[in-house]
Amino acid sequence: DIVMTQSPDSLAVSLGERATIKCKSSQSVLHSSKNKNYLAWYQQKAGQPPKLVFYWASTRESGVPDRFSGSGSGTDFTLTISSLQAEDVAVYYCQQYYGTPHTFGQGTKLEIK
Amino acid sequence: QVHLQESGPGLVTPSETLSLTCSVSGGSISTYYWSWIRQPPGKGLEWIGYTHHSGNTEYNPSLKSRVTTSMDTPKNQFSLKLGSVTAADTAVYYCARVGESCSGNTCYSHAFDVWGQGTLVTVSS
Repeated sequence: DIVMTQSPDSLAVSLGERATIKCKSSQSVLHSSKNKNYLAWYQQKAGQPPKLVFYWASTRESGVPDRFSGSGSGTDFTLTISSLQAEDVAVYYCQQYYGTPHTFGQGTKLEIK
Repeated sequence: QVHLQESGPGLVTPSETLSLTCSVSGGSISTYYWSWIRQPPGKGLEWIGYTHHSGNTEYNPSLKSRVTTSMDTPKNQFSLKLGSVTAADTAVYYCARVGESCSGNTCYSHAFDVWGQGTLVTVSS
């Protein structure tokens, strides 16, 4: 199985400041012939299902604010929120869909400082 | 807009079979792959498996011996059965659609782009 490891486990950031969450996969999730990273990010608010934020590592899902950005390739990925808003408080998960079983990171809890 | 809704018993007796159905509205299940994912209370996400109307299915090896999925195209539903349950199977169970992105005539499945609200299943006597 591909193991996904996120850091940090929790993060407190002031409103308007930048928030950065990292995700590392135990093997590359870059499909070289398709030149796509099979990596997604989800946002899960309390009591709600996860919501897709990015797929192909950096393709923003429709409706996601552009203060969110996704980057990285191969085994190392980053989710960045450029200016934290109160509504961004959530747990964020990365997930690989390069191979089965599809696997998720353990989650990063983002809070307001 | 596609909407997914899980249904099924909220309480299952140990050693019995957990059965859930996902009803899809706003789109046909004859396109896309469809998946089940679960989340134990206060914990992370675990992919259970996916299914396609073509009959193509794949399951998490950790659950494969106990999992069966099926599709009811006329009802626009797909289902999950998990046998021989224990307390460790207590979780919120989500159904989700596997998204697709297309360029020209080529489409690639990607992440879970539409989710149901989830249903809590407790395994207890």
